[in-house]
Amino acid sequence: DGGITQSPKYLFRKEGQNVTLSCEQNLNHDAMYWYRQDPGQGLRLIYYSQIVNDFQKGDIAEGYSVSREKKESFPLTVTSAQKNPTAFYLCASSRGGPSSYNSPLHFGNGTRLTVT
Amino acid sequence: GQQLNQSPQSMFIQEGEDVSMNCTSSSIFNTWLWYKQDPGEGPVLLIALYKAGELTSNGRLTAQFGITRKDSFLNISASIPSDVGIYFCAVPRTDSWGKLQFGAGTQVVVTP
Repeated sequence: DGGITQSPKYLFRKEGQNVTLSCEQNLNHDAMYWYRQDPGQGLRLIYYSQIVNDFQKGDIAEGYSVSREKKESFPLTVTSAQKNPTAFYLCASSRGGPSSYNSPLHFGNGTRLTVT
Repeated sequence: GQQLNQSPQSMFIQEGEDVSMNCTSSSIFNTWLWYKQDPGEGPVLLIALYKAGELTSNGRLTAQFGITRKDSFLNISASIPSDVGIYFCAVPRTDSWGKLQFGAGTQVVVTP
């Protein structure tokens, strides 16, 4: 079955360490996204990529970095510069392209990151 | 940027009751989407609305695209325990295609 796989489900890190969250999709989607979810705040966009080898900052990109070397993969690195990294991180994908401006997103099951 | 006002923030209901929630905005949209997030999982698309005034059902769920194009409503009839979760409305962002703006979510808790 096609879908989006995020790993690991739970991640624990010490403050000051960088950590990379994995996101893989086999839906043949061009566009991929990273969202951060905090209680009562909905989903906030961190980074997005509309095509391989290209990505753009979202609304809360500070302290994060991404790469898009393959269509299927869009890893997110949470750096030590992120002041409040503990959160639930969601990866998503969509068909992409201007004709799909209202294309629904398909989400992975998330990674819960705890930094102490 | 675009702001979606989703209410209520949370609901505690008894099994069998109907549930209503809504999203409003000061901006006009051509699409409204409703997602549900089960505890510990990613959101899943429930209903997509593409036309003002449209009323669409998915099982016990019914969503409407407001005639002013500035709001949308989601109703759940005869709630069951598995309806528990967070329900989000979402609209396409105007600053770039492919990106969605989400409401803050409505937390639904169903008690037997």
